[in-house]
Amino acid sequence: AQSVTQLDSQVPVFEEAPVELRCNYSSSVSVYLFWYVQYPNQGLQLLLKYLSGSTLVKGINGFEAEFNKSQTSFHLRKPSVHISDTAEYFCAVRKGGGSNYKLTFGKGTLLTVNP
Amino acid sequence: GAVVSQHPSWVICKSGTSVKIECRSLDFQATTMFWYRQFPKQSLMLMATSNEGSKATYEQGVEKDKFLINHASLTLSTLTVTSAHPEDSSFYICSAGERGGPRPQHFGDGTRLSIL
Repeated sequence: AQSVTQLDSQVPVFEEAPVELRCNYSSSVSVYLFWYVQYPNQGLQLLLKYLSGSTLVKGINGFEAEFNKSQTSFHLRKPSVHISDTAEYFCAVRKGGGSNYKLTFGKGTLLTVNP
Repeated sequence: GAVVSQHPSWVICKSGTSVKIECRSLDFQATTMFWYRQFPKQSLMLMATSNEGSKATYEQGVEKDKFLINHASLTLSTLTVTSAHPEDSSFYICSAGERGGPRPQHFGDGTRLSIL
């Protein structure tokens, strides 16, 4: 089974500052890793994914994440945040393979961007 | 592309009624659909996984007679909350997995269910 730990439940930052949201996972098999964003009263939107290949993954809205197999981490970063980035961010993992494997989510990190 | 439509977005009803939530993949075929429940300020809890044309697989602790799931076609899955009670009030989200390959799940916008 897989598990995901998001180390920070809340991250407050000022606008235009850099941010890193941390995610660690555990699994005995190869996995795919994802970051999703959730705005209030909405579903989840995919920010980026790691399936294979380059360990640095670029996503939408200027976010990127780096897969580190030795540290079993997949931290999300953005060099300069905007007020509109305020949302809940979820790291997720699933077993490698086809499309029908269930996702395991972390508990989420609330990013609050202050002016 | 890869849009999942979930309907209704908000429903309020009396205790004892049944509520049906629809989840449609608009521009792709979804061999597998997932239903989640999310409590305020918490993560998503997987309730069940459904594959087109077969019975859903429920997670431990989820009452299959309370939460009926149907996945009759490659583009539609429904969740029916039967005889709903106030404790069933929650935010329900569906997601769909595309046919073939290691593609990510696509999520609907969720349904806010409030039982009075």
